[in-house]
Amino acid sequence: GNSVTQMEGPVTLSEEAFLTINCTYTATGYPSLFWYVQYPGEGLQLLLKATKADDKGSNKGFEATYRKETTSFHLEKGSVQVSDSAVYFCALASGGSYIPTFGRGTSLIVHP
Amino acid sequence: DADVTQTPRNRITKTGKRIMLECSQTKGHDRMYWYRQDPGLGLRLIYYSFDVKDINKGEISDGYSVSRQAQAKFSLSLESAIPNQTALYFCATRRTGGDETQYFGPGTRLLVL
Repeated sequence: GNSVTQMEGPVTLSEEAFLTINCTYTATGYPSLFWYVQYPGEGLQLLLKATKADDKGSNKGFEATYRKETTSFHLEKGSVQVSDSAVYFCALASGGSYIPTFGRGTSLIVHP
Repeated sequence: DADVTQTPRNRITKTGKRIMLECSQTKGHDRMYWYRQDPGLGLRLIYYSFDVKDINKGEISDGYSVSRQAQAKFSLSLESAIPNQTALYFCATRRTGGDETQYFGPGTRLLVL
């Protein structure tokens, strides 16, 4: 079956530091890959996505590249802000029903 | 106004009580989902519905039931609540075809004593 593995948190950084959150997946076929973000007290919202190999998703300074050869979709940001503090979920969807599979989430804490 | 709303936002109940969590959406999406979120476990799918007459169990449906009253409404019931159902519950929607993005409600925080 499908599975998503992402690095455990919390990840604690100082403002303006570089961020990487690792995500690897196992799936049949050619899944679409997503990063969702959950700010405190809110539901999840889509941050970025990629639908085929070598695609790069980007939004709000975050980027992730769909790497089929390493089955990875790592999230990066060059300079984090305090407002980026949230929980980040990697997810995939494949097959005709597109029932998504979520990772366990990685908490990011950014200090001023 | 929010596109996906959930009521109540917070609920405290006692073991053995029946409770209902409600989800409404104005996005016009046909697919709706219920998840629960537990610390360290991420999101787990409870039930999903592709239209009013299509209800499917997710990975953790035991102890839960759902009702799709209309395309815009999808309710989750706990017939007899137990403490390990204490969690954060999310409703999500998606449109069939095209964009696979899910749109989430703000969540209901449930405490079962």
